Amino acid sequence: QITLKESGPTLVKPTQTLTLTCTLSGFSLTTTGVGVGWIRQPPGKALEWLALIYWDDDKRYSPSLKSRLTITKDTSKNQVVLTMANMDPVDTATYYCAHRQTGTFVFDIWGQGTMVTVSS
Amino acid sequence: SYELTQPPSVSVSLGQTASITCSGDKLGDKYVCWYQQKPGQSPVLVIYQDNKRPSGIPERFSGSTSGNTATLTISGTQAMDEADYHCQAWDSTTVFGGGTKLTVL
Repeated sequence: QITLKESGPTLVKPTQTLTLTCTLSGFSLTTTGVGVGWIRQPPGKALEWLALIYWDDDKRYSPSLKSRLTITKDTSKNQVVLTMANMDPVDTATYYCAHRQTGTFVFDIWGQGTMVTVSS
Repeated sequence: SYELTQPPSVSVSLGQTASITCSGDKLGDKYVCWYQQKPGQSPVLVIYQDNKRPSGIPERFSGSTSGNTATLTISGTQAMDEADYHCQAWDSTTVFGGGTKLTVL
């Protein structure tokens, strides 16, 4: 059974860097074709795709946020880490990690999400 | 940048057919998927590659695309289908629609 679980701070201050971890279970980022993405959702608003990392370490970023994002993987821990620099109150959102359906751009299994508030 | 447009809200009577649209330039040339999201929960994939249903998704959920519009159809809508629905496509990057709140009357 594939599951993903996000973890990280619930509160960050403006200008700080956010670091979120996605712990994977039931699959591995060493398997050909596997990808894991990050998506966020401000309260009451739409989903927004942030980043995606593949088994071969190929990385893709949202063009509008690319300068602030870094996605990495730790295969020994079966984790994916997202960092977002220079946080602002508008970045307040629930952040999800999700399993990319092999061969598609579809996220077929999502984590429970973690709410991050940006406030001084 | 590529944009997907959804109506903010759609209402449907219990047992009737609900149609939720998603519009984008040449959307018919791209694969579209749909997610259901209930309050306080994570999105759940209900339709992918325009009209395929993941395992466990009821047959009353179907999808179609034509021209610039993709449509999620829920036949015989049940109370449990009340949720937000999000479309997603890929156009050199992953794009989500603004989401549609489905109300079952």
